[in-house]
Amino acid sequence: AQSVTQPDIHITVSEGASLELRCNYSYGATPYLFWYVQSPGQGLQLLLKYFSGDTLVQGIKGFEAEFKRSQSSFNLRKPSVHWSDAAEYFCAVASSGGSYIPTFGRGTSLIVHP
Amino acid sequence: GAVVSQHPSRVICKSGTSVKIECRSLDFQATTMFWYRQFPKKSLMLMATSNEGSKATYEQGVEKDKFLINHASLTLSTLTVTSAHPEDSSFYICSADLAGGGKETQYFGPGTRLLVL
Repeated sequence: AQSVTQPDIHITVSEGASLELRCNYSYGATPYLFWYVQSPGQGLQLLLKYFSGDTLVQGIKGFEAEFKRSQSSFNLRKPSVHWSDAAEYFCAVASSGGSYIPTFGRGTSLIVHP
Repeated sequence: GAVVSQHPSRVICKSGTSVKIECRSLDFQATTMFWYRQFPKKSLMLMATSNEGSKATYEQGVEKDKFLINHASLTLSTLTVTSAHPEDSSFYICSADLAGGGKETQYFGPGTRLLVL
């Protein structure tokens, strides 16, 4: 069975600073990987996804993530954080050979200081 | 494109009553819709997978008689919480995948906040 670990419950950064949110997954084959963002009281918005090909994936809102098979990681990065980026971020993994239903990590809460 | 809506956005009900939540794909047809439950500061837990025209598949530990799911058309799925109790209070989120393609990506609704008094 697949699983996702987001080791950081909270991350605090200053506006304009760079950001990296960690995600490690467990899956036997090449996984489908996702990052979603959830603003308070809202549903999830897809930031980016990796299925195959280039391991550096560009997403919306200036986010990118890099798939590293050797480290079983799919960390999310942004070079300069804006106050509006404050939200909950979820990493998810889905089976590439089955139902595609994602398993979500517990989420990382991003706090942005002015 | 790929917009999913939920109605209502929030609902407060008395213990023992039933509540229906609608999930609609507005600009695409969805073969499959999914229902999740999210507790405060917690991740999303898949409750059930709903396929148009057939019975829903429930995850282990989810009471199918309590959480009734109907997927009557390719654009509408409903979740009915029957005889609601305070412990059913939660944030319920639906998602849908694109029929005929893009199955690997789900599109999420904005969620429904349920408070049972």
